[in-house]
Amino acid sequence: GAVVSQHPSWVICKSGTSVKIECRSLDFQATTMFWYRQFPKQSLMLMATSNEGSKATYEQGVEKDKFLINHASLTLSTLTVTSAHPEDSSFYICSARDGTTGELFFGEGSRLTVL
Amino acid sequence: GESVGLHLPTLSVQEGDNSIINCAYSNSASDYFIWYKQESGKGPQFIIDIRSNMDKRQGQRVTVLLNKTVKHLSLQIAATQPGDSAVYFCAENIGGSNYKLTFGKGTLLTVNP
Repeated sequence: GAVVSQHPSWVICKSGTSVKIECRSLDFQATTMFWYRQFPKQSLMLMATSNEGSKATYEQGVEKDKFLINHASLTLSTLTVTSAHPEDSSFYICSARDGTTGELFFGEGSRLTVL
Repeated sequence: GESVGLHLPTLSVQEGDNSIINCAYSNSASDYFIWYKQESGKGPQFIIDIRSNMDKRQGQRVTVLLNKTVKHLSLQIAATQPGDSAVYFCAENIGGSNYKLTFGKGTLLTVNP
């Protein structure tokens, strides 16, 4: 079964609202989690690296005030898309690194549609 | 198979044939490479990985070849099955142990029955 769970798997929201996506490691403690965005027929683009207990590191061009990342525990990281607009509609995928084994696992993704 | 370019390459094969998917990576400092399979609407699924101190690694029906001289990676799938139809991505870890991966553009593999 899945070792990294994302919730919700899909969400539809109105423009201007905020949406929170959760990424949970189910069987391990994740010292590092990564958030990716994927537009249709394109590759995964890394948005940010989330380290437990510290601020996330954002990739160039990703607005940290728009994409809020919180990694408050070793099993949970959240991505909040603030004031979402239709251009934020995308597939958001997280990955989590097992702090003990170093293995990396991906979630099943969360599809956001902003109307 | 086609190398990664500015479009999503496609590869169409007959069931039972072998498939070869190619990937060109850019950073000579990359020390770890992974191939992922992504089915529509799902997250990436790990297939096989290889470290930069190796040039070949085999798994079940899959083989990854690494040519560091030309910065080229390939994934070979033996006896391709309809269930192998998906988009395949190579990903590189540009140094370090934090698994901060950069993904290639992907190749769409279609297996015809």
